[in-house]
Amino acid sequence: GAVVSQHPSRVICKSGTSVKIECRSLDFQATTMFWYRQFPKQSLMLMATSNEGSKATYEQGVEKDKFLINHASLTLSTLTVTSAHPEDSSFYICSAEGPWVKNIQYFGAGTRLSVL
Amino acid sequence: AQRVTQPEKLLSVFKGAPVELKCNYSYSGSPELFWYVQYSRQRLQLLLRHISRESIKGFTADLNKGETSFHLKKPFAQEEDSAMYYCALSGAGANNLFFGTGTRLTVIP
Repeated sequence: GAVVSQHPSRVICKSGTSVKIECRSLDFQATTMFWYRQFPKQSLMLMATSNEGSKATYEQGVEKDKFLINHASLTLSTLTVTSAHPEDSSFYICSAEGPWVKNIQYFGAGTRLSVL
Repeated sequence: AQRVTQPEKLLSVFKGAPVELKCNYSYSGSPELFWYVQYSRQRLQLLLRHISRESIKGFTADLNKGETSFHLKKPFAQEEDSAMYYCALSGAGANNLFFGTGTRLTVIP
C-alpha cells in the first residue's frame, strides 16, 4: 500500500512552454501533498504544500505564478511550470501524507525536467 | 527558522563495521525528526522516526535535545545498507518536512 505515482518521469521542453506534472496517490486518499525540487547533488527543497480543495502554501522564495499547484481531488495534485526557462531544469518530487499516521510522507519517483 | 545539517556527504564503511550517520538540527520548538532512505533506483522512503523509538533494519536513532542531534546508528553494516540517507525535520504541529543534504553510505564488502 501507500503508492504514489508521479508522471511523467522525464520531460524535455522548449523554453517558454508550460509543463504539467501529475502526482497521484493510488491506494489512499491524501488531503495533503507536497512538492519538492532537487538540484544535482543537493537536498530536497520544499516548494509548496498542496491541500485538497484549497490554495497551496508556498515556501518563501517560490514564485506561485511560476509554479501553479492544483489539488482538485483527494488523489491528485498537479504542478504546472509555466513559461519554463532553462533555470527551471531540475528534478521535481512529490509526496503525499498518508492517512494512517500523521507526518509520514510517501514519495513519488520524481520528474526530471529539462528545458532547452 | 529550521535547519538540518548532515556534515558528511559521503561515508564508507566495511561490511560488519559499525556505522553512524550524523544529523544535527536547529529549531526553536519541539520538532519531530525522521530518517528517510533512498536505495539505488528506488524512491525515497521512510526509515524511522524518533517518536516511534524502534529499530528498523537494525538501525536506531536517538533524539538528543541537549546536543540537538539525531544520529543514525547500526552496529554491523550490511552491503544492502548502501544508499542515500536523509535526515528530516518537521516542526511542532506541522506536517511539512525540511531535509538535510543527505549522506551517501557505501558499505564495502
